[in-house]
Amino acid sequence: GESVGLHLPTLSVQEGDNSIINCAYSNSASDYFIWYKQESGKGPQFIIDIRSNMGKRQGQRVTVLLNKTVKHLSLQIAATQPGDSAVYFCAENISGTYKYIFGTGTRLKVLA
Amino acid sequence: SQTIHQWPATLVQPVGSPLSLECTVEGTSNPNLYWYRQAAGRGLQLLFYSVGIGQISSEVPQNLSASRPQDRQFILSSKKLLLSDSGFYLCAWCSGALRAFFGQGTRLTVV
Repeated sequence: GESVGLHLPTLSVQEGDNSIINCAYSNSASDYFIWYKQESGKGPQFIIDIRSNMGKRQGQRVTVLLNKTVKHLSLQIAATQPGDSAVYFCAENISGTYKYIFGTGTRLKVLA
Repeated sequence: SQTIHQWPATLVQPVGSPLSLECTVEGTSNPNLYWYRQAAGRGLQLLFYSVGIGQISSEVPQNLSASRPQDRQFILSSKKLLLSDSGFYLCAWCSGALRAFFGQGTRLTVV
């Protein structure tokens, strides 16, 4: 469903530090998850995905962790850069459907 | 490679006027297609999705409708716009890989 609140949670990190963005998903039947990055005025851009039979997946500078027990997903960005500033969304796909449900989103601000 | 086109990029419409937003996908066959709406500073709300021509699933009751007249074409419409229809509308597609890709969005302002 739709997120609540007009102000997205914001995470501020120093350039070069690691960032961790968290997401709690809602449906136990979800078995596929995606992290998206959305820059202002643009559509969401795929970053990394993970299936429910995995606990961790790594990409270039990004790592996604999945904890099915507590229905929690996280995105770790190593050596955060100014270009990483954006809003990050997690999305869950409910098994057996073609529906993607998005989380609230987190705004990442990279401080120089 | 697959691409998704969404237009127009911005639109200002008066209250009570009709709406038609178009989305087309290239480079794939029989994609699943989606319309999302994003209010300012908020997340993405799924409005409609389609798994095939003429097959539309509506997720929330609203003033909008969707149609899929061709395999790679998805249209979002309204007969009479409301102020509350303002927002950022995003079209997306996915195929068997389940990875959804988004268009660049249409910013609709109803005045």
